[in-house]
Parts: sequence; C-alpha cells; structure tokens
Amino acid sequence: DIVMTQSPDSLAVSLGERATINCKSSQSVFFTSNKKDYLAWYQQKPGQAPKLLIYWASSRASGVPDRFSGSGSGTDFTLTISSLQAEDVAIYYCQHYYTFPVTFGQGTSVEVK
Amino acid sequence: DVQLVESGGTLVEPGGSLRLTCVASGFTFDDHAMHWVRQTPDKGLEWVSSISWNGYSIGYAPSVKGRFTISRDNAKNSLFLQMTSLRTEDTAFYYCGRAHQRDTASYYDAWGQGTLVTVSS
Repeated sequence: DIVMTQSPDSLAVSLGERATINCKSSQSVFFTSNKKDYLAWYQQKPGQAPKLLIYWASSRASGVPDRFSGSGSGTDFTLTISSLQAEDVAIYYCQHYYTFPVTFGQGTSVEVK
Repeated sequence: DVQLVESGGTLVEPGGSLRLTCVASGFTFDDHAMHWVRQTPDKGLEWVSSISWNGYSIGYAPSVKGRFTISRDNAKNSLFLQMTSLRTEDTAFYYCGRAHQRDTASYYDAWGQGTLVTVSS
C-alpha cells in the first residue's frame, strides 16, 4: 500500500498569514501516460464530512476559494492557504488515488494563533 | 444539489450484522462509481470498499474482505454495505463517497454526512 505522511500534525497561523501543509507519498503517484498526479486534498470541519478542495494535485474543486492552492509532483505535495481565514480552521487530509487501496494522510490540524 | 444520505448505523454486538444504505440525489447516479470510507480517531480515514457504475467491478480493503459486501441499485439511486461478522475494530463513522468517474480508484467529490457504527457488547 502507498503510505501518505503529512507534516506537520498541527499548526497555528495568525489570521491573514500563510499556512503550508506537506504530504509525502511512499511511492510516486504520477501517472506518466497522462502526466497527472493522482493526489487530492480535503478539508474536514468538526462534525462534518470531508470536503474536496484539490484534485490532480493542483486543480481546485468547484466553489473552493482561490486562497487554497495545491502544488507538487511525484511524491511530494503541498497545500497552501495563502491568507488564513477564521473559517479555515479544520483538519486537512491528503489522499492518493493512484491505485487501490486509496489511502489518506493522518491529517493536519490548522488553528488560529 | 448533489446529496448523499447514509443510514443504518447503530450499536451492534460483536459477531453481528448490519446493512448500511446511502441514497443519492441531485446527479445521475450511474455515471459514478461509489465508495465506502470509514473514519476513526485512531486510524483516521480508511477506504473500505468500492463499486463501479454498473456493479461489475468491486473492491474491498483486506480488513473487511469476506465479511462486507457492497452493492448498488441504480434504479433506486442507492448504495449498500452489508456488514457481517462485525468486530470491535469496525467501530467507525461510515461515509459513502461519490467517485469522480465510473470506475477505478478515485478522489471523492461528494460525501454523505456519515453514519455511526458501534460494535460493542
């Protein structure tokens, strides 16, 4: 199975500041035939289901604010919140979908400093 | 609006059985594969099972293979998970997730609100 490891486990950021979350996969999730990285990011607020933010490593899902961006390729990926808002307090997960079983990172908790 | 609504979660004793249902609305159900994903504080998010749009391609996590059965009824826009020989480690919130395509591994562009399964004596 591909192991997804996120860092840090938690971070506290001041409102309006940048938040950066890293995700590393134990093997490449880049598919050479279509040149796509099979990597997604989700946001989960307390008491809610996860919500898709980013797919194909850098494509924003419908309705997601443009302060959220994804980058990286191969085995190393980053989710960036360019200017943290109070409503962004949540746990963030990465997920690969390169093959079965799809697996998720352990989550990164983002709070306001 | 796309909506997925799970039901069927409850308290059950070890060794017992349970059937979860996910009813979809707001989209063409048979345009999408569907998955079950569970979540616990200890193990986080864990893929459980998936079924292609036509039900012909099915997959299970090793931890549930032989005990859980996924199925779907496209005429009723419904997804099911039959769970047998339940263990305490199956205790979790169970979510149905909509795959972005008809088959294969996928990201989830819609999730239900989840249903809690508790396995305990």
